[in-house]
Amino acid sequence: GAVVSQHPSWVICKSGTSVKIECRSLDFQATTMFWYRQFPKQSLMLMATSNEGSKATYEQGVEKDKFLINHASLTLSTLTVTSAHPEDSSFYICSASFWREQWETQYFGPGTRLLVL
Amino acid sequence: GDSVTQMEGPVTLSEEAFLTINCTYTATGYPSLFWYVQYPGEGLQLLLKATKADDKGSNKGFEATYRKETTSFHLEKGSVQVSDSAVYFCALSDPGSARQLTFGSGTQLTVLP
Repeated sequence: GAVVSQHPSWVICKSGTSVKIECRSLDFQATTMFWYRQFPKQSLMLMATSNEGSKATYEQGVEKDKFLINHASLTLSTLTVTSAHPEDSSFYICSASFWREQWETQYFGPGTRLLVL
Repeated sequence: GDSVTQMEGPVTLSEEAFLTINCTYTATGYPSLFWYVQYPGEGLQLLLKATKADDKGSNKGFEATYRKETTSFHLEKGSVQVSDSAVYFCALSDPGSARQLTFGSGTQLTVLP
């Protein structure tokens, strides 16, 4: 149980286009969803936190107009990279959390690799 | 701010060898500590956690002890298997929560038969 999917798993796009990445919790309703970014051989960096029906909270240094997050339901969050540029190329990972045994646990998706040409 | 440093990989071991992946942290207070594992093509999975000093987390033969005095949380396994090949991430969060996670850079482990 507690499976999180991401779609697409990889995407290549031209500079200036927008790319949408979906994150779904398949068998549970998530309290919160998180979006991370990972550069090669570096840590996962938290980009933003979102709750269903409310605006996402972005981490310092993350442009909210660049990385649009929509959290339409308790099982779906989307990240749209607007007007993508080569420096946005990265590995994007989402997670979804819920409370279990008095502990809020995050369940991670497999990630989406974005390459902007 | 909080940070996690873990040993760089990749690490290559033969089956049944002893594994240690070092992890040290910098944080104020008493964070909760975690090890996550990412198998090829899958999402990160929680492997084990410890929430206070001297706690030992364990799962699937892996162990890690929360050492406040050395600010460390080293991952160990006595006898690795090919199926343990994965990327391992050390992480910390605020006490009592896995919400705001700070990750290390990950260590790639390859176990050869």
